[in-house]
Amino acid sequence: TQLLEQSPQFLSIQEGENLTVYCNSSSVFSSLQWYRQEPGEGPVLLVTVVTGGEVKKLKRLTFQFGDARKDSSLHITAAQPGDTGLYLCAGIQGGSEKLVFGKGTKLTVNP
Amino acid sequence: SAVISQKPSRDICQRGTSLTIQCQVDSQVTMMFWYRQQPGQSLTLIATANQGSEATYESGFVIDKFPISRPNLTFSTLTVSNMSPEDSSIYLCSAKRYRDRGTRTDTQYFGPGTRLTVL
Repeated sequence: TQLLEQSPQFLSIQEGENLTVYCNSSSVFSSLQWYRQEPGEGPVLLVTVVTGGEVKKLKRLTFQFGDARKDSSLHITAAQPGDTGLYLCAGIQGGSEKLVFGKGTKLTVNP
Repeated sequence: SAVISQKPSRDICQRGTSLTIQCQVDSQVTMMFWYRQQPGQSLTLIATANQGSEATYESGFVIDKFPISRPNLTFSTLTVSNMSPEDSSIYLCSAKRYRDRGTRTDTQYFGPGTRLTVL
């Protein structure tokens, strides 16, 4: 059983479109991170959210942590080809030092 | 952010041989981890590298197959022993730094990965 369910698994859109990626769990997380990974590279941290209901913006990316700290979303506005990559959500449960990853969303933005 | 380097970046190995991957962090970190990422998949934690003591392995991973060392706060190695084609994967080193300035949480960084192909 996957602790963090990410959806969609694959997403192919045109430049300029908006999209949302979801990360859901039945468990509570003390913090949740979003990473982006490009082929041949390691994941790069985009954001960490820790407070229920928290919203963080990073240019065209908006991250939200659910009120109950069980889910999160990543919304990209006006996607660009440079946004193409594997987006991973990962969470830490209270009392643990280990980061648990979702399966990832492979995003392709076509010019 | 912490800068993490890994060597080698990629290798092609024969079945039955072993490969040691090195991980160097540019600053002192609290914890170091090793992950495996199979093609098109997400990351699976292999073990937590503990300084000066035996690593803590996750279910499905054992020390005989994946011996790990961490002699100091900034360096760790992972060995993939007696390799088979099923071990072909990307192996990623990760490090956690305690409460980066301006944040309320520990931040975990990743190296670029080592792409291993076993023939």
